[in-house]
Amino acid sequence: AQKITQTQPGMFVQEKEAVTLDCTYDTSDPSYGLFWYKQPSSGEMIFLIYQGSYDQQNATEGRYSLNFQKARKSANLVISASQLGDSAMYFCAMREDLEYGNKLVFGAGTILRVKS
Amino acid sequence: DTEVTQTPKHLVMGMTNKKSLKCEQHMGHRAMYWYKQKAKKPPELMFVYSYEKLSINESVPSRFSPECPNSSLLNLHLHALQPEDSALYLCASSQGLGASTDTQYFGPGTRLTVL
Repeated sequence: AQKITQTQPGMFVQEKEAVTLDCTYDTSDPSYGLFWYKQPSSGEMIFLIYQGSYDQQNATEGRYSLNFQKARKSANLVISASQLGDSAMYFCAMREDLEYGNKLVFGAGTILRVKS
Repeated sequence: DTEVTQTPKHLVMGMTNKKSLKCEQHMGHRAMYWYKQKAKKPPELMFVYSYEKLSINESVPSRFSPECPNSSLLNLHLHALQPEDSALYLCASSQGLGASTDTQYFGPGTRLTVL
């Protein structure tokens, strides 16, 4: 079974600074995908970024980048130039393939608070 | 357009009521999902529909009954719920390609309170 670990229950960052949210994973599958989602207090889960296990380069999407270290089984999210609107819960997730479909396995999440 | 819509946004129901949650997507996705999320916890998968057929049921109690009328719509019928069923219910959809790049896009959720 796959497992995602997020060890930071909460993080603070000053506006305009960068912040790294940690994620480690465990899987025996050679092919896998890792995802980061943002969940503001409104509740919607917003897809941020995806990293495939065979991707040669770290994924980037605007201010979001993924620091993928395959040997260490880590997929940390880096948010550059933090904004007040970045305050939210952030989930790291891995796609688990089952016999008749797939599901996302989520970490416990990290609450990020951006200070002005 | 990566939009998944859910109605209602909020729902309060008694333990004897029957209600339904609705989810719609117009992205041509062939897989749709229901998740349940308790406060300050990650979402937990309930059901997966793949090509309009129920493919995964994560041992969900029968008081939750999913339905997929067509490839764009997903319903969750609720009956005789318990107060512990109060949660945020999230719908998601994905292309259902079966590849690791398959990305799930979520709706805004329905906040359910069972009295």
